Amino acid sequence: QVEVVESGGDLVKPGGSLRLSCATSGFTFNNYYMNWIRQTPGEGLEWVAFISATGSTIYYADSVKGRFIISRDDAQRSLYLQMDSLRGEDSAVYYCARQKDSGAYDAWGQGTLVIVSS
Amino acid sequence: SYVLTQPPSLSLAPGQTARITCAGYNIGSISVHWYQQKPGQAPVLVVHDNDGRPSGIPDRFAGSNSANTATLTISGVEAGDEADYYCQVWDSGSYHYVFGAGTKVTVL
Repeated sequence: QVEVVESGGDLVKPGGSLRLSCATSGFTFNNYYMNWIRQTPGEGLEWVAFISATGSTIYYADSVKGRFIISRDDAQRSLYLQMDSLRGEDSAVYYCARQKDSGAYDAWGQGTLVIVSS
Repeated sequence: SYVLTQPPSLSLAPGQTARITCAGYNIGSISVHWYQQKPGQAPVLVVHDNDGRPSGIPDRFAGSNSANTATLTISGVEAGDEADYYCQVWDSGSYHYVFGAGTKVTVL
């Protein structure tokens, strides 16, 4: 059974940092692309970052480029998102999602809430 | 960057057919994926690669894609289909993944 579980969300002040984690099980983690996607409460979905199965290819949304870093640890079967220089507009539920080769996200976690506020 | 346009909302009675559109320039040339999101829950993939259906998704859900519009069709809508629906593509021009703004489907 495929499981994806995010953690690390918290209340943080503007300019602060936070590291999100995504623990996975039930599938061969190092065979899959992985992504972070976020959603402001009551709003739509926004793709944040992508990392290839080998970790050699990484993409970021323009809104987070230069501030966020996506990484993976295949031994731990985990995905991470280091978020620095946080802004109010980064407040959202952050989802970790497994990606098929075609680009579809076929497994999602339940999300972790990040609130950036003074 | 690439823009996907969805109608904000759609209301229909049980048993009717819902057609949710996702417009984008020449979208028919790329793969489109669709997600269903119910309140308080994570999104669920309901159609991948334009017309593929993941295991466990009822055959009432069908996708199509041509020219400048992709469509998710839900036949015989039920109360349990009430949710937000999002389309999503890969924009190879910007190396970004893109979501539509979502369509809220209400079953009257």
